[in-house]
Amino acid sequence: DGGITQSPKYLFRKEGQNVTLSCEQNLNHDAMYWYRQDPGQGLRLIYYSQIVNDFQKGDIAEGYSVSREKKESFPLTVTSAQKNPTAFYLCASSLATLGDTQYFGPGTRLTVL
Amino acid sequence: KQEVTQIPAALSVPEGENLVLNCSFTDSAIYNLQWFRQDPGKGLTSLLLIQSSQREQTSGRLNASLDKSSGRSTLYIAASQPGDSATYLCAVIAYNQGGKLIFGQGTELSVKP
Repeated sequence: DGGITQSPKYLFRKEGQNVTLSCEQNLNHDAMYWYRQDPGQGLRLIYYSQIVNDFQKGDIAEGYSVSREKKESFPLTVTSAQKNPTAFYLCASSLATLGDTQYFGPGTRLTVL
Repeated sequence: KQEVTQIPAALSVPEGENLVLNCSFTDSAIYNLQWFRQDPGKGLTSLLLIQSSQREQTSGRLNASLDKSSGRSTLYIAASQPGDSATYLCAVIAYNQGGKLIFGQGTELSVKP
């Protein structure tokens, strides 16, 4: 069953903690992306990766970090430096970066207590 | 810098009506435009992708048009059903912004039985 999985579905974080959101795909896609969605707003790009061991900052990368050690995995760490981390986080992948349809995971809702 | 706008932010219609959702973008140098559907608390599902050289795409009761020169796209939904209730997002890939998807803020559609 091909697709993108994200875990956990819900995540609660205390102030000052780092947390890592998981994203896995078995679509054999080269490109992967992390987006943040706030209520009533569209998605904003945090980081993206076109190939293993390479990634680029998106529009709102401050306070976040990523790694791409394997083609199928692109974890996102929300660090304590992110001032307003409560949001819905979506991971996506595509065959390549320019022009290909992006396929999205089910999302992780992060809440800071 | 490319900006994408969707109007209205919310729309409520009775079942059976045909309806049009609007999307506008500021820079006509786009690679393609996509329409997505998002159910509450879920990820995005790609509905239609229109390449910059195309004028429209159809899938079932959905028809998306693209007018690059005026910076506009519409999503036409025929014979709306309660199951169509969701948020609809449009996004463009602009040539001059590294192939990233740039999203509008979405239109929340409610179809009443």
